[in-house]
Amino acid sequence: GAVVSQHPSRVICKSGTSVKIECRSLDFQATTMFWYRQFPKKSLMLMATSNEGSKATYEQGVEKDKFLINHASLTLSTLTVTSAHPEDSSFYICSASQRIGGISNQPQHFGDGTRLSIL
Amino acid sequence: AQTVTQSQPEMSVQEAETVTLSCTYDTSESNYYLFWYKQPPSRQMILVIRQEAYKQQNATENRFSVNFQKAAKSFSLKISDSQLGDTAMYFCAFMKSRGGNQFYFGTGTSLTVIP
Repeated sequence: GAVVSQHPSRVICKSGTSVKIECRSLDFQATTMFWYRQFPKKSLMLMATSNEGSKATYEQGVEKDKFLINHASLTLSTLTVTSAHPEDSSFYICSASQRIGGISNQPQHFGDGTRLSIL
Repeated sequence: AQTVTQSQPEMSVQEAETVTLSCTYDTSESNYYLFWYKQPPSRQMILVIRQEAYKQQNATENRFSVNFQKAAKSFSLKISDSQLGDTAMYFCAFMKSRGGNQFYFGTGTSLTVIP
């Protein structure tokens, strides 16, 4: 089945540091990747939609300059949390999906998530 | 806009018993997909079952089945012969069939299977 690899799984760093999270589709070409943020015992909150070769589409309230997304290839998207602060501590999950024949009928496949802790 | 509602924040079930998790949604789309995802304590998102709206037959995957009522916009998940490993958060998700693969998630139901 489709596999999405997310790395790193856990990051602990000092306030002011920039942190990069990678999301790779290992056995399929992901035309679209999604980045979510999840607070404890809450649902996944969509942050942005990333299409290969174009700028990401951010959800309302998500700072573009704070959360930089790059989708440089059909198998890799990165999320960079710039100048991270304690309030950015959270669980971040990526997902990837493909459109076959121009039809959106494939479920999203999720990475295992990244637990980010800013001290 | 699409909305997905899970009205049961927490549920529990005895091991080997059956439990049903509810999900309702609102959309003006005629064709779409519905999913149930499981998120155990490890926080992996695991696809449990999917349903295409144009199919009248309810989807089934081993111990998991759905009751899809398109007119009522209801999509409940039934777990039979509950096992301890079923303890997890369960999320209902909606996806339009056109315009991208964006998911709309419900708020989740925390299920605990009691030994």
